[in-house]
Amino acid sequence: DAKTTQPTSMDCAEGRAANLPCNHSTISGNEYVYWYRQIHSQGPQYIIHGLKNNETNEMASLIITEDRKSSTLILPHATLRDTAVYYCIVRVGTSYDKVIFGPGTSLSVIP
Amino acid sequence: DTGVSQNPRHKITKRGQNVTFRCDPISEHNRLYWYRQTLGQGPEFLTYFQNEAQLEKSRLLSDRFSAERPKGSFSTLEIQRTEQGDSAMYLCASSPRELSRAKNIQYFGAGTRLSVL
Repeated sequence: DAKTTQPTSMDCAEGRAANLPCNHSTISGNEYVYWYRQIHSQGPQYIIHGLKNNETNEMASLIITEDRKSSTLILPHATLRDTAVYYCIVRVGTSYDKVIFGPGTSLSVIP
Repeated sequence: DTGVSQNPRHKITKRGQNVTFRCDPISEHNRLYWYRQTLGQGPEFLTYFQNEAQLEKSRLLSDRFSAERPKGSFSTLEIQRTEQGDSAMYLCASSPRELSRAKNIQYFGAGTRLSVL
């Protein structure tokens, strides 16, 4: 699986959009970008994933650059409950193999 | 569907004792994974089952660790002769059989926090 680079921590004001970047410059053509988050004392939770098109669901939007070397997870209206560690993971979509987590980005939503 | 269930949520034990954790995956999920997470780090893979078959084990899984999934449903993770370095959160995840588009999503339980004194 390709490696990813994320900022260690970020702050976001409550009600504003949170934009979490991820670099994955060595991504292969068959690898997807997945995002999970982990709220304190809970297990990781799947958010969204994509291959090359932008994706949106009820939780977030995923913007992937045309060259697929980076992506941004967008939480459109951050709430205090969005305070968590966010993990960007790149892996083959059809693989049922393990997920390799990096240290992620610790997002703090500030009132 | 109540999600992935892990028991106990917390376990405190003395060094040298054996401990066993249980994971009940989401029903009909045929894949089950165990991870370990220490403070400030992302989860690290330990082992993975497809139905009752254990398909992969990490080098982190020393000979003191054993995992089973005897009937392809719930799984247990046992640590023998616990050491202080085993103190961590042990997470279980399951994923469904996905026959269509690539969507290997893993659903995690809340974990079992082990403290070895």
